[in-house]
Amino acid sequence: EVQLVQSGAEVKKPGESLRISCKGSGYSFTSYWISWVRQMPGKGLEWMGRIDPSDSYTNYSPSFQGHVTISADKSISTAYLQWSSLKASDTAMYYCARNTRGHFDYWGQGTLVTVSS
Amino acid sequence: QSVLTQPPSVSAAPGQKVTISCSGSSSNIGNNYVSWYQQLPGTAPKLLIYENNKRPSGIPDRFSGSKSGTSATLGITGLQTGDEADYYCGTWDSSLSARQVFGGGTKLTVL
Repeated sequence: EVQLVQSGAEVKKPGESLRISCKGSGYSFTSYWISWVRQMPGKGLEWMGRIDPSDSYTNYSPSFQGHVTISADKSISTAYLQWSSLKASDTAMYYCARNTRGHFDYWGQGTLVTVSS
Repeated sequence: QSVLTQPPSVSAAPGQKVTISCSGSSSNIGNNYVSWYQQLPGTAPKLLIYENNKRPSGIPDRFSGSKSGTSATLGITGLQTGDEADYYCGTWDSSLSARQVFGGGTKLTVL
């Protein structure tokens, strides 16, 4: 069974750093890109970027380029999304999703990130 | 503002049929496959339709997808109260800043 399991909810202060994770299982992790998708409270889905776990090549949405970093460790089938300095506007639910031929066939359960002073 | 345009809300009675539209351009829907996602309250999105009109295993044939030119449509027949959810279309945008794009989402209410 294909599963993407994300790390738990986080509460951080503005300016702090954070890395959240997404662990894949039940399939060959290096055969599919992993994307990250943001959903702000009460809002729609926004694609942030993706990574090819086989070589860690990344694509970012222009809206998120430079604000977050996507990485992966194929030895443990895990992708990451990280911030070096969080802002209150980063408060959102973040989903990882497996890319298959232009669509997302499996999604993680989501990680809620709350940034508040 | 989303690259793909969806109606904010649609509604219909149980047992009825509803359609949700998704409008884009030649750089996205016009030249790429469209997928549709269902997001039930408090849960992660779920793939409903991929490559314009294909259903993943386990998705009932009450759900259907179509595409014509730069627009796509999701159809749901035999509406059930359990279909109340947000629905999103998605596709790849091949413009200068190539990226995956979504519609703004449509809230389906089953009256």
